[in-house]
Amino acid sequence: AQRVTQPEKLLSVFKGAPVELKCNYSYSGSPELFWYVQYSRQRLQLLLRHISRESIKGFTADLNKGETSFHLKKPFAQEEDSAMYYCALRAAISNFGNEKLTFGTGTRLTIIP
Amino acid sequence: DGGITQSPKYLFRKEGQNVTLSCEQNLNHDAMYWYRQDPGQGLRLIYYSQIVNDFQKGDIAEGYSVSREKKESFPLTVTSAQKNPTAFYLCASSIDSGPSGTDTQYFGPGTRLTVL
Repeated sequence: AQRVTQPEKLLSVFKGAPVELKCNYSYSGSPELFWYVQYSRQRLQLLLRHISRESIKGFTADLNKGETSFHLKKPFAQEEDSAMYYCALRAAISNFGNEKLTFGTGTRLTIIP
Repeated sequence: DGGITQSPKYLFRKEGQNVTLSCEQNLNHDAMYWYRQDPGQGLRLIYYSQIVNDFQKGDIAEGYSVSREKKESFPLTVTSAQKNPTAFYLCASSIDSGPSGTDTQYFGPGTRLTVL
């Protein structure tokens, strides 16, 4: 069975400082990893996925299969980054391929002005 | 926002009563999902449906039931058998593009259910 671990429930960072939200996973197959974000009074939404290797709102995340990690990073935190962040792992649930997501417990990031 | 809607936003239920949460999407997505969000536990999958008239149990299906009679609708019933139903419920949908797909799940605004 797959598992996603986010060890930090709360994380506070000063504006302008680097941010790293940790995510570790366990899965016997080839994983697909995602970061979802929920801003105050907004819906949960996709931030980025490892397969796209993209940077969204200054955030990046690299899949490290050796360490089974998918940490979310941003070099300079901004106040608008304050939100709840969830790491998620996609596991194929049938030959259709789609798409059971297993979520971590989330990290609430607070940016201190 | 739009695309995927949930109603009502807040719902109160007396112990022992069944209650149905609505989820509708106009995104023409094949797959729909129900999650439960509890503080400190993240999101847990209750049920999912990949196509109309088909659905599968997720990780915590006990005490819940669903139907998928129409592509755009995936209602969730919280039955009296659910031991701890007070929670925030999220519905999501995605395009089912098969094994090579990298579909995004789009979430509704959620329904907060409180059992009195």
